[in-house]
Amino acid sequence: AQKVTQAQTEISVVEKEDVTLDCVYETRDTTYYLFWYKQPPSGELVFLIRRNSFDEQNEISGRYSWNFQKSTSSFNFTITASQVVDSAVYFCALSEVNRDDKIIFGKGTRLHILP
Amino acid sequence: GAVVSQHPSWVICKSGTSVKIECRSLDFQATTMFWYRQFPKQSLMLMATSNEGSKATYEQGVEKDKFLINHASLTLSTLTVTSAHPEDSSFYICSAMGGTVGNTIYFGEGSWLTVV
Repeated sequence: AQKVTQAQTEISVVEKEDVTLDCVYETRDTTYYLFWYKQPPSGELVFLIRRNSFDEQNEISGRYSWNFQKSTSSFNFTITASQVVDSAVYFCALSEVNRDDKIIFGKGTRLHILP
Repeated sequence: GAVVSQHPSWVICKSGTSVKIECRSLDFQATTMFWYRQFPKQSLMLMATSNEGSKATYEQGVEKDKFLINHASLTLSTLTVTSAHPEDSSFYICSAMGGTVGNTIYFGEGSWLTVV
């Protein structure tokens, strides 16, 4: 079954701290994509990253970094030197090529960055 | 870059009426579009997969007669909430697959529906 688990419902950190959002996924397919999206209060989904199952290289983009570990079926997201503008709900998601590429979302982690 | 636009962004309708939400791919053709619903403080739940020129595929538990989906062209899919009730109030968001970079998925801005 296709499933995404974000165990952290809500996290609060003080500005400038680093924070890691966890994501664990389940899939029977060998070809799949993993995503992270940011959803601010306005509701729109902001695309952050897409990673295919054959690319386990970690990625860094500015203050954002992602750690993909197939051995543990995890795709964790770290924000370094957090800022108040990072406050949002973050969704991890999975799509399987053999299931029409439809994206299934985790329940999301609500991140509060305190000034 | 590729853009998906939804209209309207906000809509308030009376209970018992129907409301239509449009999802357009603005600069690419989308053979497949997806419709999601998100209740407050919850995740996005996939409602249906919309394929151009054919019937939509609904997820388990989604009433196809209540949520009518039409994908009549390669750039437009519509979701009609028929006989809306207050419990249908939600954030509806679409996504479209296409563009020039290997079947990338693009999300619309979402539509807030309030049924009074």
